[in-house]
Amino acid sequence: GAVVSQHPSRVICKSGTSVKIECRSLDFQATTMFWYRQFPKQSLMLMATSNEGSKATYEQGVEKDKFLINHASLTLSTLTVTSAHPEDSSFYICSARDQGARGNTIYFGEGSWLTVV
Amino acid sequence: AQKITQTQPGMFVQEKEAVTLDCTYDTSDQSYGLFWYKQPSSGEMIFLIYQGSYDEQNATEGRYSLNFQKARKSANLVISASQLGDSAMYFCAMREKTGNQFYFGTGTSLTVIP
Repeated sequence: GAVVSQHPSRVICKSGTSVKIECRSLDFQATTMFWYRQFPKQSLMLMATSNEGSKATYEQGVEKDKFLINHASLTLSTLTVTSAHPEDSSFYICSARDQGARGNTIYFGEGSWLTVV
Repeated sequence: AQKITQTQPGMFVQEKEAVTLDCTYDTSDQSYGLFWYKQPSSGEMIFLIYQGSYDEQNATEGRYSLNFQKARKSANLVISASQLGDSAMYFCAMREKTGNQFYFGTGTSLTVIP
């Protein structure tokens, strides 16, 4: 079964509002989680690396004030899209690194579709 | 059960040789798509190739081809004429029409040896 869970899988929000997406590691502790956004050519752009207990590391060009990432516990990272605009509509996916018994394996969530209307 | 299984955590291939990265999938949907991504050290996920469940021909994109065996539920990636720049993690993924979510495998680390 899934070892990384994302919620919600689909969300529609009004322009100007904020929306939160959760990424949970279900049976391992993840000190590091990653957030991606999918673009029309199918590639997934790395937005940021989420580090438990410290600030996220954002990739160049990603607005940290718009895409707030919080990694408050070893099993949960959240991505909040603030003041959402229609151009933020996209598919967002997270992954988490299990550095324990599974030997530094990365697991992906199933993704979240965001539609801003 | 895992939706996507990649059984090779690490692979080595000699430069200019071909290599096959294995991927098997599990779905009860009739309509689905299979993807391969390359992840270099920069972290981004570069889309390589796509195969639709109804496509009769195996997908090809340059040096990449997908060996699609529907009855076996396998979608192996074949890289021909390997180059040093092919060294990276490779992820197999599936998107079912139902739900439209992505399911990724755990990846295969490919190292191309000069």
